[in-house]
Amino acid sequence: KAGVTQTPRYLIKTRGQQVTLSCSPISGHRSVSWYQQTPGQGLQFLFEYFSETQRNKGNFPGRFSGRQFSNSRSEMNVSTLELGDSALYLCASSHLPQGPRLAGPENEQFFGPGTRLTVL
Amino acid sequence: QKEVEQNSGPLSVPEGAIASLNCTYSDRGSQSFFWYRQYSGKSPELIMFIYSNGDKEDGRFTAQLNKASQYVSLLIRDSQPSDSATYLCAVPMNYGGSQGNLIFGKGTKLSVKP
Repeated sequence: KAGVTQTPRYLIKTRGQQVTLSCSPISGHRSVSWYQQTPGQGLQFLFEYFSETQRNKGNFPGRFSGRQFSNSRSEMNVSTLELGDSALYLCASSHLPQGPRLAGPENEQFFGPGTRLTVL
Repeated sequence: QKEVEQNSGPLSVPEGAIASLNCTYSDRGSQSFFWYRQYSGKSPELIMFIYSNGDKEDGRFTAQLNKASQYVSLLIRDSQPSDSATYLCAVPMNYGGSQGNLIFGKGTKLSVKP
């Protein structure tokens, strides 16, 4: 079974530009989440999508947006790039549990290799 | 805003020793707790999860949860150089059962010396 794939793997942009990152989840997974990882702030949750709907959103400015397509693939977009947006952007996919229940091994999230974004 | 705190380390232990990693969390209502391991240059991978107070063992790993004191710890017995990595503690942002909205600590870097 193929894992989570992310494209591109590396990206260099300049301040003020915008960027779109892509994530393809594991086959059968309908939940896709995005995280930003920096040395200073660590791994921070951006947003979570399921069935083309955003379920949860982290504490990031509106310049960060995302969407999910009917085939569960997801994209995230960052507009008006700032130097501080330089980071590793990780995508993760998982099953979503039916009904209220504690998160457990049956809905483990699997991370992709990430996209390394450098803003100059 | 939920917070998860970890000692950034580095924590250095000799091969064969017990490595003890600690994590505290701010939301008393948190119910699920996760430990991820991240090797340098790689993505995080789940190694342990725990719901209930007390200990949970899986091979050389033991997770310990104390909800009254709001801390969760990870013990690695018989530490090996291959355990050298950053260990991340995490709790879900909400209680909907998804693991896809985790709030992570900044991680503790573990170094196991041969």
